[in-house]
Amino acid sequence: KAGVTQTPRYLIKTRGQQVTLSCSPISGHRSVSWYQQTPGQGLQFLFEYFSETQRNKGNFPGRFSGRQFSNSRSEMNVSTLELGDSALYLCASSLEPGWGSYSNQPQHFGDGTRLSIL
Amino acid sequence: SQQGEEDPQALSIQEGENATMNCSYKTSINNLQWYRQNSGRGLVHLILIRSNEREKHSGRLRVTLDTSKKSSSLLITASRAADTASYFCATARPNDYKLSFGAGTTVTVRA
Repeated sequence: KAGVTQTPRYLIKTRGQQVTLSCSPISGHRSVSWYQQTPGQGLQFLFEYFSETQRNKGNFPGRFSGRQFSNSRSEMNVSTLELGDSALYLCASSLEPGWGSYSNQPQHFGDGTRLSIL
Repeated sequence: SQQGEEDPQALSIQEGENATMNCSYKTSINNLQWYRQNSGRGLVHLILIRSNEREKHSGRLRVTLDTSKKSSSLLITASRAADTASYFCATARPNDYKLSFGAGTTVTVRA
């Protein structure tokens, strides 16, 4: 079974631009979560999607948004990029939503998209 | 803010030795998980331990959980060079959909 696929792997943008990152979850997984990883802040939760609905959101500004399609694939968008948005963006999928609270299932991560802002 | 804090921040050991790292957290949890991250890659799930469990094993990995002290430990026995990676604990709190990660422990296994 193929793992979580994130595209692109690397991206370079300039301040003020916007970017869209893509995530294809493991087949059959219906929940997709996004995390930002930086050396200073570590791993921070961005949002989780299930059935095309955002179920939970972390403490990030409105410039960060996402969506999920009917096939469970997800995209996240960052508008008006800032230097501080440089990070590794990780996508994770799991079978069910709210898995941490209700189903005790692990999340499966992709290799991430490395976003660099110049 | 991060729920979990790992200790130590970095660990260097000889191949064949055991590696132990600890994780402390602040609030009640539903489960605690350990993940491994190799340089430039995503996270790989290692072990999940539920709040009503005290110890779990998986191959060369042993995880303990002490909910009274709000702490967990990960033991890697007979370490190998391939175990060189960063290790993160993550907690799932009741009625909270997200994972909260610690800052991680960087483990270097010397050949």
